[in-house]
Amino acid sequence: IAGITQAPTSQILAAGRRMTLRCTQDMRHNAMYWYRQDLGLGLRLIHYSNTAGTTGKGEVPDGYSVSRANTDDFPLTLASAVPSQTSVYFCASSRSGGNQPQHFGDGTRLSIL
Amino acid sequence: AQSVTQPDIHITVSEGASLELRCNYSYGATPYLFWYVQSPGQGLQLLLKYFSGDTLVQGIKGFEAEFKRSQSSFNLRKPSVHWSDAAEYFCAVGAITQGGSEKLVFGKGTKLTVNP
Repeated sequence: IAGITQAPTSQILAAGRRMTLRCTQDMRHNAMYWYRQDLGLGLRLIHYSNTAGTTGKGEVPDGYSVSRANTDDFPLTLASAVPSQTSVYFCASSRSGGNQPQHFGDGTRLSIL
Repeated sequence: AQSVTQPDIHITVSEGASLELRCNYSYGATPYLFWYVQSPGQGLQLLLKYFSGDTLVQGIKGFEAEFKRSQSSFNLRKPSVHWSDAAEYFCAVGAITQGGSEKLVFGKGTKLTVNP
């Protein structure tokens, strides 16, 4: 079934550790996105990529980095995790152009202790 | 800057009752508007979208939404709610990033509880 796969589904991490959240899509969408979802704040865009080889900063990019080596994969890295990065992280993808609807993965629940 | 307001944080309705979830947006041009639903532990699923044309749009699961430019609103409706509709609902508007790319700006969501 076509869609977006995120891994891991959940993780508990010690502060200061490095962590990479994985995201893979098989829909050949050009654009991909990372959001964090926090209670009362809705979804906030962390980073995005319009096409392979390009990335951009969203609303809350500090403490996160991304790469887009190919069309399918869009990993999100926390170089040195802090407790304020405890959240649920969603990866999404869409076709390019015209504000296409985004398709979402099931999320990664991350707890930083 | 683009923004979306969902005035109701939590709504409770009885099964079989009608439902309306409110959404107001702020955007300078003709907006692209979306409604998503999120069940517990799941990602967001697209219910419907408005790009242009008919201001009343039909979506999945019996939902519809009406775009009213004069009121900057895009309210979601369903004539008869089912227990399986209990979820969180997000309204979103298409926007342009500083880098000229397209993105979605989400409201903070409305949690729907359905009583039997």
